[in-house]
This record gives sequence, structure tokens and C-alpha cells, in this order.
Amino acid sequence: EAQVTQNPRYLITVTGKKLTVTCSQNMNHEYMSWYRQDPGLGLRQIYYSMNVEVTDKGDVPEGYKVSRKEKRNFPLILESPSPNQTSLYFCASSPRGRGGGYTFGSGTRLTVV
Amino acid sequence: SQKIEQNSEALNIQEGKTATLTCNYTNYSPAYLQWYRQDPGRGPVFLLLIRENEKEKRKERLKVTFDTTLKQSLFHVTASQPADSATYLCALDVLDSNYQLIWGAGTKLIIKP
Repeated sequence: EAQVTQNPRYLITVTGKKLTVTCSQNMNHEYMSWYRQDPGLGLRQIYYSMNVEVTDKGDVPEGYKVSRKEKRNFPLILESPSPNQTSLYFCASSPRGRGGGYTFGSGTRLTVV
Repeated sequence: SQKIEQNSEALNIQEGKTATLTCNYTNYSPAYLQWYRQDPGRGPVFLLLIRENEKEKRKERLKVTFDTTLKQSLFHVTASQPADSATYLCALDVLDSNYQLIWGAGTKLIIKP
């Protein structure tokens, strides 16, 4: 089944403790992206990647890092999480990033206390 | 300022009727416009994409129109069912946006039996 797999589904952590949210797609898509979704603010893009070793900032990149060492994986790293990063996070992929629909993961609900 | 607007109020429709959702934008020249469905706590699911030179697109009970003069897209759900209840998001694919979709905040659709 074609899908984007995110882990974990839920995560509660403490301020300052580094964490990684994994994202993997099995569709050989070139484009991958991370979003956060907060009530009333809609989807906001954090980082995106056009292909292996090619990443770029979205609208809200502060406090996040990403890497794209393999085509299928696009992990999101929070080096020192803070409470304002409490949110619902989604990873998405598409064949080329333009002209096609995005496939989203099931989401990761992160709480930073 | 550039923005994309969807009705923030929930739309309540009687089962069997046609639901119409709007997506308005300003100051963009989108190449494509996409519609997604999102259920609570889940990732958005791609429904339809319409190109700037297309007036209408259909998929089963769904119909999307795109008027670049009015800067508006309409999303219709015909013969609506309670299972169609969800939040519907529109997203613009703008050529000068560095491969970022520009998202509306979504409209919640409630179909009453």
C-alpha cells in the first residue's frame, strides 16, 4: 500500500530534550515536506526537500532541523524542544512537489512540557 | 497582503442536499488549486486538483470549479451523506512559491441525517 509512515503517533517530552520524528514514504516520491498544524492557524510548512540532500526552509523553520540522506526518509529533528513547539505534525510527499496531490502521514501529536 | 480564505464557520447541510464550499484568494496567480479532506486528528487526504486553464473538474459526487478572474474556487458535494462530514482544505500551487502549497484554514462541513 502506498503510504507515508510517521512515528511516533503521540509523544510527550520535556523542554530541551532532543527528539526525532521519523517519516518514510514507499512511493519513490522526490518531494517531501513537514508541516505543523495549530488550531486557527491551518497548515504551516516547516521544511521541504526536493530530492536527496536538497532541503529548504518553509514558513516556520526556527527550532527544527531536517535531513534527506535517502529518498524515502525525511526525519524532523527538534534539538531543544520548547513548549511553543507543542503541535500536530504532518509529513507529506508528492511525486515532484508541483502539479500533483500530496500524500500525508497520519500525524504526530507532540506535547512539550 | 497575500492570502487565501475559506469560510471559518461550519457549514451545516441536510443529507441528500448539495454542499458548496468556497475558497477565495488575493494577489496570487496559481498554476493549480487542490482540495483535501481532513478528519479530526488525521492527515489531509487529497481529493482533486484543477489547473488554472480548467473551469471544472469532477470526481464521483465531487465537483470543483476554478474562476481565475474572480480568484475563487467552489467545491461541491452532491447527494451529501453524513460520512462526508469533515474539514475541507483548499491549497494553491503558485509558480513563484518555491514549491510550497499555500493553504487555507479549512471549512468544517457537517451533514445532518
